[in-house]
Amino acid sequence: SQTIHQWPATLVQPVGSPLSLECTVEGTSNPNLYWYRQAAGRGLQLLFYSVGIGQISSEVPQNLSASRPQDRQFILSSKKLLLSDSGFYLCAWSVLTSADTQYFGPGTRLTVL
Amino acid sequence: AQSVAQPEDQVNVAEGNPLTVKCTYSVSGNPYLFWYVQYPNRGLQFLLKYITGDNLVKGSYGFEAEFNKSQTSFHLKKPSALVSDSALYFCALGDGQNFVFGPGTRLSVLP
Repeated sequence: SQTIHQWPATLVQPVGSPLSLECTVEGTSNPNLYWYRQAAGRGLQLLFYSVGIGQISSEVPQNLSASRPQDRQFILSSKKLLLSDSGFYLCAWSVLTSADTQYFGPGTRLTVL
Repeated sequence: AQSVAQPEDQVNVAEGNPLTVKCTYSVSGNPYLFWYVQYPNRGLQFLLKYITGDNLVKGSYGFEAEFNKSQTSFHLKKPSALVSDSALYFCALGDGQNFVFGPGTRLSVLP
């Protein structure tokens, strides 16, 4: 069966520090991968998605970037965190794009102080 | 462009009573509709989906949803609510090109 992992589970970082969040998927090949941010326990904002290694699409201009160095690995990064980057970051995968179920990881709670 | 609305921010229901969480959508083609649940500090869990076929879809934990094309709705239902159903519920829409989530509805089941 397929599983998706995210780490770390929680992170507290000072403003201006770098960020690296990792997401890995097991049990499937060539998944579509997604990064979402959820602020204040409410709506989801799609940040990035990837249909293959090295292929990243950005949905929202921001202080963040994403990379996909391996088929089942998706990394969210920032060179300098802002207070507004605080939130709950969720990684998801699917087989197809918009007509298929997305399966979510457990999330990373990021607090920028 | 496609969109998803969840008209209620909050739904309160007594334990044992039936519950409904509403979702309406707008799409130019055939919709693919999904329901997810999120417990505090957790990722979203998939409950059920409608792709085609029977308008009544049954999913996990006793939930079901009815696809109504004429009303462009996909309401989530459960015959008897449990306190443990208290969570944040998201409706989502795919149209073959894009995937979009609704804003979420917080369900509170009162003992």
